[in-house]
Amino acid sequence: EVQLVQSGAEVKKPGESLKISCQGSGDRFTSYWIGWVRQMPGKGLEWMGIIYPGDSDTRYSPSFQGQVTISADKSTSTAYLQWSSLKASDTAMYYCAGRKYFYDSSGYPSYWYFDLWGRGTLVTVSS
Amino acid sequence: QSALTQPASVSGSPGQSITISCTGTSSDIGTYNYVSWYQQHPGKVPKVMIYEVSNRPSGVSNRFSGSKSGNTASLTISGLQAEDEADYYCSSCTIGCTYVVFGGGTKLTVL
Repeated sequence: EVQLVQSGAEVKKPGESLKISCQGSGDRFTSYWIGWVRQMPGKGLEWMGIIYPGDSDTRYSPSFQGQVTISADKSTSTAYLQWSSLKASDTAMYYCAGRKYFYDSSGYPSYWYFDLWGRGTLVTVSS
Repeated sequence: QSALTQPASVSGSPGQSITISCTGTSSDIGTYNYVSWYQQHPGKVPKVMIYEVSNRPSGVSNRFSGSKSGNTASLTISGLQAEDEADYYCSSCTIGCTYVVFGGGTKLTVL
């Protein structure tokens, strides 16, 4: 089974760019969907988007489309979440999470839940 | 505003049963049997407790059960224990399962 190891906490200023990472170890990273979940301070979970590192097939929640970029490098078993210009409202804990990759009999991708989670990366954006 | 609606809080005494509701629409819960429930203790990583409406992952207590009727899913915890005190989130596929939505979360207090 894959273990997901996230990069460390970040403190940034508004307008700066940032790329955080989620590296898989153990089992085959490219056998999994890898997604990102935001949790703002004291708030709930928000599904941001997901990528299949095998072919970089990426899907976004409409709420996050255009706000962030999800990418992956299968050669290093790493997924990324990137911002080009941070805002104070991006302050949050960001979790990467995974699920085995397949499509069900109805043709739906298997990322309807996550059974693997990273420990989270805390991003603080403040002037 | 979250896509799925949960009560902000529920409470119960040890040994009792509680049910947390999760109301969506015909675009998500009403169409797909891909409802999941997560437990999150303060400062901890979320953990899936129920997937595909009513399935329990290996290692999850059988005190946790899930169901669905129409556009509303439910999580029932029987025989409440102090360790069940946590935040609970539902989630569902939506719109062709192109993405997933979470509920706003429910804080469970064990009295």
